[in-house]
Amino acid sequence: LAKTTQPISMDSYEGQEVNITCSHNNIATNDYITWYQQFPSQGPRFIIQGYKTKVTNEVASLFIPADRKSSTLSLPRVSLSDTAVYYCLVSRDPSGGSYIPTFGRGTSLIVHP
Amino acid sequence: DAGVTQSPTHLIKTRGQQVTLRCSPKSGHDTVSWYQQALGQGPQFIFQYYEEEERQRGNFPDRFSGHQFPNYSSELNVNALLLGDSALYLCASSPPGQGPYGYTFGSGTRLTVV
Repeated sequence: LAKTTQPISMDSYEGQEVNITCSHNNIATNDYITWYQQFPSQGPRFIIQGYKTKVTNEVASLFIPADRKSSTLSLPRVSLSDTAVYYCLVSRDPSGGSYIPTFGRGTSLIVHP
Repeated sequence: DAGVTQSPTHLIKTRGQQVTLRCSPKSGHDTVSWYQQALGQGPQFIFQYYEEEERQRGNFPDRFSGHQFPNYSSELNVNALLLGDSALYLCASSPPGQGPYGYTFGSGTRLTVV
């Protein structure tokens, strides 16, 4: 199973761009990279998903280099409401069945005024 | 459009008791997965149900069992509760197909075992 490593915590200020990098050295060919956001006492919320290169949606961008051994979640112009735990995970298809998201410990992002 | 609904939101049980947690998936979703999240940890995969059968299972003992109904809703049952079972239990649903789609999570059930 592809293990992910990401910083335990990060601090930023309102209006700044935040980049959270995750390493997944043994990612498999059919694995996808997904990022979730979680607020206290709530379930994780899907942010973005990608396989390679760059993916962008209305809230974030995801950069994946050619070797796919790492990925970077980019949050433009963060606000206080972006304070949350961010999980990088590899969605693994273990047996030709469905993809099971496997979570690590996540990165606790604190945005300061 | 209703998202994933879980009940109850909070629950207190005594060690040794049994508990049933319930989940209604997002409209249009047919696959339900259950996760356990201890304080300060990431969610840990318990099992996944599809077509009323357990399709995948994580590293959890047989005390953890589940069920999926024809309307795709699901239950998580935990027998012989231990203090260590205290956690936030999350239900996630995903749409038809087996692709790596983003899961939709409910807000969870906070279980406290005393």
